[in-house]
Amino acid sequence: EDQVTQSPEALRLQEGESSSLNCSYTVSGLRGLFWYRQDPGKGPEFLFTLYSAGEEKEKERLKATLTKKESFLHITAPKPEDSATYLCAVRGGGNKLTFGTGTQLKVEL
Amino acid sequence: EPEVTQTPSHQVTQMGQEVILRCVPISNHLYFYWYRQILGQKVEFLVSFYNNEISEKSEIFDDQFSVERPDGSNFTLKIRSTKLEDSAMYFCASSEVRLAVYEQYFGPGTRLTVT
Repeated sequence: EDQVTQSPEALRLQEGESSSLNCSYTVSGLRGLFWYRQDPGKGPEFLFTLYSAGEEKEKERLKATLTKKESFLHITAPKPEDSATYLCAVRGGGNKLTFGTGTQLKVEL
Repeated sequence: EPEVTQTPSHQVTQMGQEVILRCVPISNHLYFYWYRQILGQKVEFLVSFYNNEISEKSEIFDDQFSVERPDGSNFTLKIRSTKLEDSAMYFCASSEVRLAVYEQYFGPGTRLTVT
């Protein structure tokens, strides 16, 4: 059974204070690791897909990396508008995504 | 930018009643999904649908649930006899059928409240 564990559960940063979110996974035959952003009461918003160890992708202040056991979402110089819950999900067999519980990020002025 | 839409945004129903949640996937997408998120919990897969049939379903998706693509644009989730524990956010998602591309795009969700 595919499993995803995210840490920390919650993170509070000052504006401009860079940090990383962790996603550890167990899956037989990874066919994609996905990062989503979720605002309160809204649907997950697609950010990145990573397919193989060593792969990296960037979007504005976010950078996602992947190893054989975990993925990191690095946030550089965050702004208050980056406050949200960041979800990690994996695709193993089939097309379903298995999600972690997320990291709730709060960026303060 | 194309997006997945869902209606209604909020549905309140009494236990035992039938509900139908509606979704319009992104127009050139051919894979469709339903997920749910109970308040404070993780997003959980319910079912995937391709070529007019269910391709995969979870243990949650029992005989009380059904999905349908009634026309060329809508995708629906029906719960026949709702239970209190069905209260959750229900998300529809869709993805392309393209080699090595599996990105799923989610709708804004329908909040289902069963009283």
